[in-house]
Amino acid sequence: AQSVAQPEDQVNVAEGNPLTVKCTYSVSGNPYLFWYVQYPNRGLQFLLKYITGDNLVKGSYGFEAEFNKSQTSFHLKKPSALVSDSALYFCAVSAYSGGGADGLTFGKGTHLIIQP
Amino acid sequence: DAGVIQSPRHEVTEMGQEVTLRCKPISGHNSLFWYRQTMMRGLELLIYFNNNVPIDDSGMPEDRFSAKMPNASFSTLKIQPSEPRDSAVYFCASSHTGTANNEQFFGPGTRLTVL
Repeated sequence: AQSVAQPEDQVNVAEGNPLTVKCTYSVSGNPYLFWYVQYPNRGLQFLLKYITGDNLVKGSYGFEAEFNKSQTSFHLKKPSALVSDSALYFCAVSAYSGGGADGLTFGKGTHLIIQP
Repeated sequence: DAGVIQSPRHEVTEMGQEVTLRCKPISGHNSLFWYRQTMMRGLELLIYFNNNVPIDDSGMPEDRFSAKMPNASFSTLKIQPSEPRDSAVYFCASSHTGTANNEQFFGPGTRLTVL
């Protein structure tokens, strides 16, 4: 069974400072890792993904994430936070079965609050 | 493309009533997923389809829940009879399989309240 842990329920960052939202995962085989963002009363929006290749993945809105196989981590980062980045962030993992896409297993989510 | 379309956006019903949630995936996508989001349990995968065929329904809570995908452009999630603990936001998502690029695109969700 696959699982995702987001150890922080909430992360508070001052605007302009770098931010990190943590994620660790457990999966059999090679993982496919994703970050999604959810704004209030909205669906999830895709931010970025790691499938293979370069461990540093760049995504939407200036976000990036670093895949670390030895630590089974996929932390989300941004060099300079904006107030508009405040939202609920989800890390997710899937294991491609070869027979088609598999459902995502999500972490509990981390509330990111950017203070002006 | 209009993205994943879900209807209704909000549903309020009484315990014991039948509820049907609807989803239209993005055209050309051949995988469809139903998720449920609650404060207590977060986001849970209920069931997913590949090429209209149910692949894994192990997340469906109990027999009161059923899902169908009669064609590539339509899916339903039915709860019969509904109970207050079914109150949640239900999301439908779709993706294009057959490639390594399998990010899922989510609909806006249906907020279900069972009184």
